[in-house]
Amino acid sequence: KAGVTQTPRYLIKTRGQQVTLSCSPISGHRSVSWYQQTPGQGLQFLFEYFSETQRNKGNFPGRFSGRQFSNSRSEMNVSTLELGDSALYLCASSYIEQGTNYGYTFGSGTRLTVV
Amino acid sequence: AQKITQTQPGMFVQEKEAVTLDCTYDTSDPSYGLFWYKQPSSGEMIFLIYQGSYDQQNATEGRYSLNFQKARKSANLVISASQLGDSAMYFCAMRGHTGGFKTIFGAGTRLFVKA
Repeated sequence: KAGVTQTPRYLIKTRGQQVTLSCSPISGHRSVSWYQQTPGQGLQFLFEYFSETQRNKGNFPGRFSGRQFSNSRSEMNVSTLELGDSALYLCASSYIEQGTNYGYTFGSGTRLTVV
Repeated sequence: AQKITQTQPGMFVQEKEAVTLDCTYDTSDPSYGLFWYKQPSSGEMIFLIYQGSYDQQNATEGRYSLNFQKARKSANLVISASQLGDSAMYFCAMRGHTGGFKTIFGAGTRLFVKA
């Protein structure tokens, strides 16, 4: 079966612009989580969506937002980009049964560079 | 608060030997899940193994096993018969009720397998 698909793979944006990243989870996975990975901060949790509802949110400013569609595809948006937003953004989908998460399947990530 | 600690920034191991990557965690949740992920230089995170806090036996997946010591709050990953392709970053992660079931990651351990 197809894996988690993230688009685009690479992105270069200018400070002040906004960006939208897309994630298509594995078929049947209704949970989608987003992480920001940087060399200094490691993997930082952004948010988690389940059946179109945001279930959890990390400690990021309101410039970071997301949504999930009825087909479980998810997008995250970053507005008013800052240099510090340069990072690898990873999307992960998971199958949750009776409240138990049996592990993420990650996408290849979107490498965002803000100049 | 939940926390994952990986104290080994880097590790070297000879090909075909076994290696243990350390992970300790802190949580007050009675029920939680522990995970290990591998991140090769390509960037994609790969799920390796899962251990539930109530599981009586240590999890195993092929050459990977998880040495789970609940009282000591440790969940070390053991890789047997190391291969050159095992060279990568390895992340320990935990998911529990505190924080709304979001998964948190340790800082990672970079493993180098020598020929």
